[in-house]
Amino acid sequence: DGGITQSPKYLFRKEGQNVTLSCEQNLNHDAMYWYRQDPGQGLRLIYYSQIVNDFQKGDIAEGYSVSREKKESFPLTVTSAQKNPTAFYLCASSTKRQGFSPLHFGNGTRLTVT
Amino acid sequence: AQSVTQLGSHVSVSEGALVLLRCNYSSSVPPYLFWYVQYPNQGLQLLLKYTTGATLVKGINGFEAEFKKSETSFHLTKPSAHMSDAAEYFCAVSDSNAGNMLTFGGGTRLMVKP
Repeated sequence: DGGITQSPKYLFRKEGQNVTLSCEQNLNHDAMYWYRQDPGQGLRLIYYSQIVNDFQKGDIAEGYSVSREKKESFPLTVTSAQKNPTAFYLCASSTKRQGFSPLHFGNGTRLTVT
Repeated sequence: AQSVTQLGSHVSVSEGALVLLRCNYSSSVPPYLFWYVQYPNQGLQLLLKYTTGATLVKGINGFEAEFKKSETSFHLTKPSAHMSDAAEYFCAVSDSNAGNMLTFGGGTRLMVKP
């Protein structure tokens, strides 16, 4: 079955360490997205990519980095510069620009930094 | 700029009762509107969407929503709640002025009492 796989499901890190969250899709979607979810704040867009080797900052990109070397993969690195990294991170994809086609989501990675 | 307001971060209903989750949006051009559902520790799933045409939109699991331009609303309803409907629900809007990127509301957690 096609879908989006995020790994790991739970991740624990010490403050000051960079950490990379994996996102893989086999839906053949062009566009991929990373969202951060905090209680009561809905979803906030971190980065998105509409084509391989290209990506744009979202609303809260500071302290994060991404790459898009393959169509199927869009890893997110949470750097030590991110001041409040503990959150639930969701990866999504769509066939074209998200306003027209629905987003397909992975099951998320819960990151805890202590 | 587009925005979404979901009235009530928590809604509680009895099993079999009407479900009404409120969503108001702000958009300077005709919007596309979406409702997504999120079960615990999972990603979001599309319930329904409005793009153009009929203003009453039917979705999965017996949910429907009505686009009311005069009220800038897109409330989600279901005639009879089931225990399995307990989840968090997100309204989202996109329009061409925002590059067709989605803006999510803060979410409404639906609790269903037996």
